[in-house]
Amino acid sequence: EPEVTQTPSHQVTQMGQEVILRCVPISNHLYFYWYRQILGQKVEFLVSFYNNEISEKSEIFDDQFSVERPDGSNFTLKIRSTKLEDSAMYFCASSEIRASGNTIYFGEGSWLTVV
Amino acid sequence: QKEVEQDPGPLSVPEGAIVSLNCTYSNSAFQYFMWYRQYSRKGPELLMYTYSSGNKEDGRFTAQVDKSSKYISLFIRDSQPSDSATYLCATKETSGSRLTFGEGTQLTVNP
Repeated sequence: EPEVTQTPSHQVTQMGQEVILRCVPISNHLYFYWYRQILGQKVEFLVSFYNNEISEKSEIFDDQFSVERPDGSNFTLKIRSTKLEDSAMYFCASSEIRASGNTIYFGEGSWLTVV
Repeated sequence: QKEVEQDPGPLSVPEGAIVSLNCTYSNSAFQYFMWYRQYSRKGPELLMYTYSSGNKEDGRFTAQVDKSSKYISLFIRDSQPSDSATYLCATKETSGSRLTFGEGTQLTVNP
């Protein structure tokens, strides 16, 4: 079964450092997403990406964050000047069509710890 | 008021029990409804998806949506210890791409 893969599975970083989280979406999918889940809290939408541009973003996705599809397979989330409150599990997801819901697949997540 | 509310539990039931998980939502623009299962420190896994009021069944799982009261439910029949996980309800508007999740209900099925 095709799957969304994410790396790293866990990263510890110093406050103020930049972090890049990587994702390989399912190969024939066209829409890509990042979600965040702070420990003990709900899964929150960050951003959706289609046709090499952001199609929607949440209030959380401010200038500290950026996304990129540097090649035909990878989709990255960059977090600049990390803060303690950025510690969370970050999920990448992809879908064939805009997330109608029935085709959106999530990766296993990248756990980010900012110290 | 939260857009999607879900009782976080925890909920503990004996093996074989029927489990009922529920969410309410406040935004009338939500037209798509999903249930995800999440094991500890793993990604959400889609269980059920529906867009209309009524029931949708898939094996031991039944999703129920009542748009008039903005209430969604997931029923698990003959629950198994392997069903122990956190169950997340999620909703989406017809336009836009974001899913809005509930807090999740932690379920334990005891052998």
